[in-house]
Amino acid sequence: SQQGEEDPQALSIQEGENATMNCSYKTSINNLQWYRQNSGRGLVHLILIRSNEREKHSGRLRVTLDTSKKSSSLLITASRAADTASYFCATSAGNTGKLIFGQGTTLQVKP
Amino acid sequence: EAQVTQNPRYLITVTGKKLTVTCSQNMNHEYMSWYRQDPGLGLRQIYYSMNVEVTDKGDVPEGYKVSRKEKRNFPLILESPSPNQTSLYFCASSLSRGKRDTEAFFGQGTRLTVV
Repeated sequence: SQQGEEDPQALSIQEGENATMNCSYKTSINNLQWYRQNSGRGLVHLILIRSNEREKHSGRLRVTLDTSKKSSSLLITASRAADTASYFCATSAGNTGKLIFGQGTTLQVKP
Repeated sequence: EAQVTQNPRYLITVTGKKLTVTCSQNMNHEYMSWYRQDPGLGLRQIYYSMNVEVTDKGDVPEGYKVSRKEKRNFPLILESPSPNQTSLYFCASSLSRGKRDTEAFFGQGTRLTVV
């Protein structure tokens, strides 16, 4: 079952612009995580936000979480061509350690 | 270097020929899992293991088997592969189900084609 739904599915911007991706989910969560995937390669963890947190920063990344709306957003500021990748949100719930992934947003940053 | 290693990276096989994709992690993680990634469907969990000798079905377990005889290894077995198992497969591990706020580490993926 898909927990996270991401929006938009694809995003194309110019280098230096900000990129915003959104994720919605359906059930209560322990945390929400964002991952990055370069074409055909493994996923790399970017940032984790706990259910009792509302905002978190890591370098050029800013993540927000609204548990009342069951949604999160990932903002990449001052984007670079190297940020071109697919970005996935994943939710963790219960005690099994299972992550449920959204379908991802494909970001293209044009030089 | 902390990592999850999958082998092989690429595999083309024929329908019905048993195959195993290996996965090994060097981080002493308790939790390991397998995902398949298909266009338009995202990542879907196949099987997971919360510790040695403890495995359980994920969302799409049909046609797959796993084993967890050692903490570091979690092979994925396709007893009789079929073309609908053509996909990109990822192994992942994380610290412990008891620590809920932990990140997952992914292998580089295995691109499997069944003809």
